[in-house]
Amino acid sequence: ETGVTQSPTHLIKTRGQQVTLRCSSQSGHNTVSWYQQALGQGPQFIFQYYREEENGRGNFPPRFSGLQFPNYSSELNVNALELDDSALYLCASSRTSGNNEQFFGPGTRLTVL
Amino acid sequence: GENVEQHPSTLSVQEGDSAVIKCTYSDSASNYFPWYKQELGKRPQLIIDIRSNVGEKKDQRIAVTLNKTAKHFSLHITETQPEDSAVYFCAALRYGQNFVFGPGTRLSVLP
Repeated sequence: ETGVTQSPTHLIKTRGQQVTLRCSSQSGHNTVSWYQQALGQGPQFIFQYYREEENGRGNFPPRFSGLQFPNYSSELNVNALELDDSALYLCASSRTSGNNEQFFGPGTRLTVL
Repeated sequence: GENVEQHPSTLSVQEGDSAVIKCTYSDSASNYFPWYKQELGKRPQLIIDIRSNVGEKKDQRIAVTLNKTAKHFSLHITETQPEDSAVYFCAALRYGQNFVFGPGTRLSVLP
């Protein structure tokens, strides 16, 4: 069974740029959730994708968008980057939506200068 | 919406002692409560979880208790070891909603 993977591991961008982060879900999982984890804080829910549709969204502006592909992998896109977007971005997959165990990927560390 | 508080923010214990971390939640409809361990620079790892139809769950040195009336749940680690040192996060989930995480507890196990 393959675990959750994310790419890239680290990324440095400047304000105003756009970034795309990628996540491959664990085999057998059809749901991917994205989280932003600022230094010293708990993960904050951005949104969830279930069967290629957005299935819930946290308190993040529209410049945070996503996609899920037929193989259940997912992308997180952030436009017009701001300094406060610097964080660890985690994706987590689960067998289905609802109250099921979530398994996290290793994260992408984004630094915005 | 759901709000999860977690205490203490930092906790130091001597090796072999027990550690207890407590979380409170606000949404009485929340029904799934996982605990994650995050070592420095690594991903959060699920260590134990409990559903609202159960009051206690144990897995070796780790246990979780849930008090639905008071809306709090606690992580108990017995016989702590240096490798237990990490940041621990609790979370709460209501069916159909998203996970809400607590702010984390930094546990240090001193040799």
